[in-house]
Amino acid sequence: GAGVSQSPSNKVTEKGKDVELRCDPISGHTALYWYRQSLGQGLEFLIYFQGNSAPDKSGLPSDRFSAERTGGSVSTLTIQRTQQEDSAVYLCASILQGTGPSPLHFGNGTRLTVT
Amino acid sequence: QKEVEQNSGPLSVPEGAIASLNCTYSDRGSQSFFWYRQYSGKSPELIMFIYSNGDKEDGRFTAQLNKASQYVSLLIRDSQPSDSATYLCAGPGTALIFGKGTTLSVSS
Repeated sequence: GAGVSQSPSNKVTEKGKDVELRCDPISGHTALYWYRQSLGQGLEFLIYFQGNSAPDKSGLPSDRFSAERTGGSVSTLTIQRTQQEDSAVYLCASILQGTGPSPLHFGNGTRLTVT
Repeated sequence: QKEVEQNSGPLSVPEGAIASLNCTYSDRGSQSFFWYRQYSGKSPELIMFIYSNGDKEDGRFTAQLNKASQYVSLLIRDSQPSDSATYLCAGPGTALIFGKGTTLSVSS
């Protein structure tokens, strides 16, 4: 696609429910990142995929968070038993890794509100 | 723990002035750095990257990297009100680590 696509753009859910956030990266981009940004805060790294593997998932806040990537393309971030502190904008970015520095291309994010 | 530190600001400069944004990092093995700009309610967008010691210029923007002192900076010349945004420094490695960002306000 032309850019990184995330869905839904907004999600309101009740505390305790599970949510799934989707990211469709730029076609051909090998690596995919998930970040979380709380209101007025910086970007918090969650997890990184190289192909379908996640070499670094050190940023996932708890075992309620999980992510997968299939076919080297679409990724899904799942939050189980959501809590109010999970409310944030979840940003996905993809990158075409080559021989030199490559920039991240960000999607527009999913704004998650847990009530 | 790899860290990237930024002064959160806000940094206020008058229109036409030079804005200087700084970032320090902890990983001596770091090779390249990125500066992103984020407008309120929007996703970050890349301004420029740098991986060699010294300066790199692109239009009104100059990135500076000093590996010995472990800092990277961004200078914005002839600042414009449209430059008002949060500027994020990102460190290298497979997991790009972002600083918390510096909020810049350019007054006309």
